[in-house]
Amino acid sequence: DVKVTQSSRYLVKRTGEKVFLECVQDMDHENMFWYRQDPGLGLRLIYFSYDVKMKEKGDIPEGYSVSREKKERFSLILESASTNQTSMYLCASRPQSTDTQYFGPGTRLTVL
Amino acid sequence: GQQLNQSPQSMFIQEGEDVSMNCTSSSIFNTWLWYKQDPGEGPVLLIALYKAGELTSNGRLTAQFGITRKDSFLNISASIPSDVGIYFCAGRLDYKLSFGAGTTVTVRA
Repeated sequence: DVKVTQSSRYLVKRTGEKVFLECVQDMDHENMFWYRQDPGLGLRLIYFSYDVKMKEKGDIPEGYSVSREKKERFSLILESASTNQTSMYLCASRPQSTDTQYFGPGTRLTVL
Repeated sequence: GQQLNQSPQSMFIQEGEDVSMNCTSSSIFNTWLWYKQDPGEGPVLLIALYKAGELTSNGRLTAQFGITRKDSFLNISASIPSDVGIYFCAGRLDYKLSFGAGTTVTVRA
C-alpha cells in the first residue's frame, strides 16, 4: 500500500513564526503536492513538484515556499505565519503514469 | 485553477437510501475523479473516469463522465452508516487537479 505521512497531525504556532510541514512518501513517486483545505472551498493547490529540486506554483502560493531535496520528501514552509494561514494542510503524491493522487492524513495548523 | 461547482453542499442520508451528487465546470476535463474523506483523514480515491460518457462502478458506487466533458455525477446505492464523510470531485485537464468544494454526507438521526 502507498503510504504518505505528514510530520504532525496538529500544530499551533504564533503569528510571525517560521513553520515547516514535512511530507514523506514511500512509493518512489515522482510528483508531490501541497494543498490547503478550507470549509466551502475544497482543496486548493499551493505548490507541486514533479522531480527532485523542481517546484511549480499552484493556485495559491503566496506566503508559502517549498523544498524537495530528496525524492521521498516534500516540505512546505511558511516563512512568517499569519492567522489567515490557519487551515488543514494536505500532502499528496502521484506516480508519473496515473492520475491517482495518494493523500496523507493532513496537518491541522492553527496560527494564533 | 478551474472552478468546479459541486452540489449539494451537504446531505443527510438514511440507511438504505440511494444518494446522488454532481459536479459541473465551465471548462472541459480529460479525467474526472471522485474522492472520499473520512473525518481526520486525507481523501481516498473512489473512482476514476477517463472517457466522455464512461460509466464506472465500484461496489455500491457508480460514477459517470459527462458527454460534454464538463460534468460528472456520483451515485451511492443502499447507503450505510460508514458512507458518511466528505465527497470531492476533481477534474484534470493538464498536470494538476481542480477540486470541488465537497459534499458533506451525514446520517439522518
